[in-house]
Amino acid sequence: GAGVSQTPSNKVTEKGKYVELRCDPISGHTALYWYRQSLGQGPEFLIYFQGTGAADDSGLPNDRFFAVRPEGSVSTLKIQRTERGDSAVYLCASSLPGLAREQFFGPGTRLTVL
Amino acid sequence: AQSVSQHNHHVILSEAASLELGCNYSYGGTVNLFWYVQYPGQHLQLLLKYFSGDPLVKGIKGFEAEFIKSKFSFNLRKPSVQWSDTAEYFCALFRGSQGNLIFGKGTKLSVKP
Repeated sequence: GAGVSQTPSNKVTEKGKYVELRCDPISGHTALYWYRQSLGQGPEFLIYFQGTGAADDSGLPNDRFFAVRPEGSVSTLKIQRTERGDSAVYLCASSLPGLAREQFFGPGTRLTVL
Repeated sequence: AQSVSQHNHHVILSEAASLELGCNYSYGGTVNLFWYVQYPGQHLQLLLKYFSGDPLVKGIKGFEAEFIKSKFSFNLRKPSVQWSDTAEYFCALFRGSQGNLIFGKGTKLSVKP
């Protein structure tokens, strides 16, 4: 079956621009997670959705970052006024409902801010 | 604070050598631990997981891990590595109250043929 998909695979933008990153989870997975992975680091949690609502957004670094999941399926991570420090691989994962379920990861979007 | 530490940044082994990658965690709640692997050019995949019960957990591709509560450790082992095990390995702790994973920095494993 289809796994988690993310688009675009690569995004190059200029400092100060706005970007949107998309995640399409596995069908039937109600939980969706966004992580950010910088070079030489493990993935760091950003935000977690259960259905349409953000159950935990404590990992978002500041108010330039925002994510939505309006219909409980596809999610979009939005970054305003991008900074060079935002350059990283943004990972999306999804899972079935329930605690400590296996999270299935997508291939990620590599964001480069020039 | 909750955290996961992987002390080995890069491990280089010859084929057929035994492998042990260290993982230590800090967490005051119920412990659920995972090892994920990322092969070159591929996305993160689950190797194995520990929820409760038998502290020795077996995963895919001959990997196993042992949960030692007294040492706050969850080390990954494989008795005989293959060139195809070349990858980056991440230990992760499930933060039950929040629903997300806390990852270590990863260990890059290079296996020489």
